[in-house]
Amino acid sequence: EAQVTQNPRYLITVTGKKLTVTCSQNMNHEYMSWYRQDPGLGLRQIYYSMNVEVTDKGDVPEGYKVSRKEKRNFPLILESPSPNQTSLYFCASSFVGGAETQYFGPGTRLLVL
Amino acid sequence: AQSVSQHNHHVILSEAASLELGCNYSYGGTVNLFWYVQYPGQHLQLLLKYFSGDPLVKGIKGFEAEFIKSKFSFNLRKPSVQWSDTAEYFCAVNPSGGYQKVTFGTGTKLQVIP
Repeated sequence: EAQVTQNPRYLITVTGKKLTVTCSQNMNHEYMSWYRQDPGLGLRQIYYSMNVEVTDKGDVPEGYKVSRKEKRNFPLILESPSPNQTSLYFCASSFVGGAETQYFGPGTRLLVL
Repeated sequence: AQSVSQHNHHVILSEAASLELGCNYSYGGTVNLFWYVQYPGQHLQLLLKYFSGDPLVKGIKGFEAEFIKSKFSFNLRKPSVQWSDTAEYFCAVNPSGGYQKVTFGTGTKLQVIP
């Protein structure tokens, strides 16, 4: 089944404790992206990647890191999480091309205490 | 940089009522436009998209949207909503010619009352 998977789905952590949220897709998509969803703010793009080893900042990259060492994986790293990073995070992937449909993962709900 | 505005934050309709959700974007060039839907507890999924050609686009589940270039708008419509349309709807835009930043609107929560 074609899908985007994220792990973990739920995470409670404390300020400053490094964490990684994994994202994997099995559709051979070149493009992958991370978003955060906050009430009243919609989805905001954190980082995106056009292909392996090619990443770029979205609208809200501060406090996050990403890497794209393999085509299928695009982990999101919070080196020192803070409470303002409490949010619902979505990973998405698509083929490259402006009008391609993005396929979204199920989301990771993060609480930073 | 592009931006997207969705003016309706929360809409409540009775079943069989007609729906129109507003979406306006700001960008100096040509764009691709999308409507995504998030049903309760589910992933975001594509409803419809516009990238060229006929400005009236039809999507899944009876939804359609019209791109009006002069108004920078891409409003979503459905002639008769059902309870199962209860969801959050997001408009999104990205510049044509390359898959750069994708910008989403703040979303509209639609509640359909049986």
